[in-house]
Amino acid sequence: LAKTTQPISMDSYEGQEVNITCSHNNIATNDYITWYQQFPSQGPRFIIQGYKTKVTNEVASLFIPADRKSSTLSLPRVSLSDTAVYYCLVGDAGIKAAGNKLTFGGGTRVLVKP
Amino acid sequence: GAGVSQSPSNKVTEKGKDVELRCDPISGHTALYWYRQRLGQGLEFLIYFQGNSAPDKSGLPSDRFSAERTGESVSTLTIQRTQQEDSAVYLCASSLVDRGAYEQYFGPGTRLTVT
Repeated sequence: LAKTTQPISMDSYEGQEVNITCSHNNIATNDYITWYQQFPSQGPRFIIQGYKTKVTNEVASLFIPADRKSSTLSLPRVSLSDTAVYYCLVGDAGIKAAGNKLTFGGGTRVLVKP
Repeated sequence: GAGVSQSPSNKVTEKGKDVELRCDPISGHTALYWYRQRLGQGLEFLIYFQGNSAPDKSGLPSDRFSAERTGESVSTLTIQRTQQEDSAVYLCASSLVDRGAYEQYFGPGTRLTVT
């Protein structure tokens, strides 16, 4: 399983764009990149998943450069309710690989200030 | 539709007692995962069930931990002879395997406190 490195914490202000970069130098060919969001006292929530280039949904955008050794989660115009821990995961999304040790790591604690 | 549910939401037990934690996955989700999250830390994978295949137990920290799942429905995580270091939030997640193994839907967790 590819190891990931993210910043421990980030502060931002309401209305700003927040970009969280995750490094995954050992990403394998079949690996996908997935981001989760976790609010206090709740389980993580799937945000976005991608393989290469750019993926966008109603919540966030995920930018993946050509070498795929890093990825950036972009949260547009954050609000106070976006304060949470954001986890980056890298791994094979194929059926046979499911269930290998899944490590969320410590994540990035994002604090949005008024 | 209904999400993943877990019970109890909170459990306080004495050291040495056994505890049983329950997870109801989203209907139709064939994959089910258990994780442990200690205070302020990330999630540790414990065990994974996929349909009728043998479960992947590679994350269980000791033989005091076990889990069962009946078909593609309810799962139970059992911790025998609980220790104080077992105190954590235990999270269950389920997924549709054909959507990618990592698109998981989590329950609210069971907060276990061993005194």
